[in-house]
Amino acid sequence: AQSVTQLGSHVSVSEGALVLLRCNYSSSVPPYLFWYVQYPNQGLQLLLKYTSAATLVKGINGFEAEFKKSETSFHLTKPSAHMSDAAEYFCAVSEGTGANNLFFGTGTRLTVIP
Amino acid sequence: GAVVSQHPSWVICKSGTSVKIECRSLDFQATTMFWYRQFPKQSLMLMATSNEGSKATYEQGVEKDKFLINHASLTLSTLTVTSAHPEDSSFYICSARDGAGVTNEQFFGPGTRLTVL
Repeated sequence: AQSVTQLGSHVSVSEGALVLLRCNYSSSVPPYLFWYVQYPNQGLQLLLKYTSAATLVKGINGFEAEFKKSETSFHLTKPSAHMSDAAEYFCAVSEGTGANNLFFGTGTRLTVIP
Repeated sequence: GAVVSQHPSWVICKSGTSVKIECRSLDFQATTMFWYRQFPKQSLMLMATSNEGSKATYEQGVEKDKFLINHASLTLSTLTVTSAHPEDSSFYICSARDGAGVTNEQFFGPGTRLTVL
């Protein structure tokens, strides 16, 4: 069975500081991993995805994530936070090709302090 | 890119009435669509998975007679909340999976906020 753990329901960073949002997964098969961002009262927008190619994945808005199998992690980072990055971030996992469901973490709310 | 729309974006209704929410894939054929429910400051909870032309598969604890799902075409799925009550007030989000895709990526709609008075 798949599951996702996001450590830290709230993360605050200063504008210009490093953003690090943590995600650990559990999967019995090689996973596909996703990070989504949700702005208030909106749906989810895909930031990036890992699908068994390069372990360092670059996404939109300057975000990237590294798949570390040994640590079962897929942490999201951005070198320099911007005010517009304030949002809710969700990590999700699926089993791989042919699987239907996405399993979401509980989300991390990112606050950017000016 | 793949775009999914939802209509309406928000709806207010009286207790006991039924509300229909539409989810459309605008530029691709969605063999599978998903309906999620999100309570304030919580994650998305999968309610059901629907495949075009077949009955939806509901998650445990979701009442299929209350949340009617129809996926009549490759671009449209509807969720009808029947006899809505205040506890059904929530943010409902649909997503669609491209039938030709292999990465299981789901494309999400903008959500529908339902308020039942």
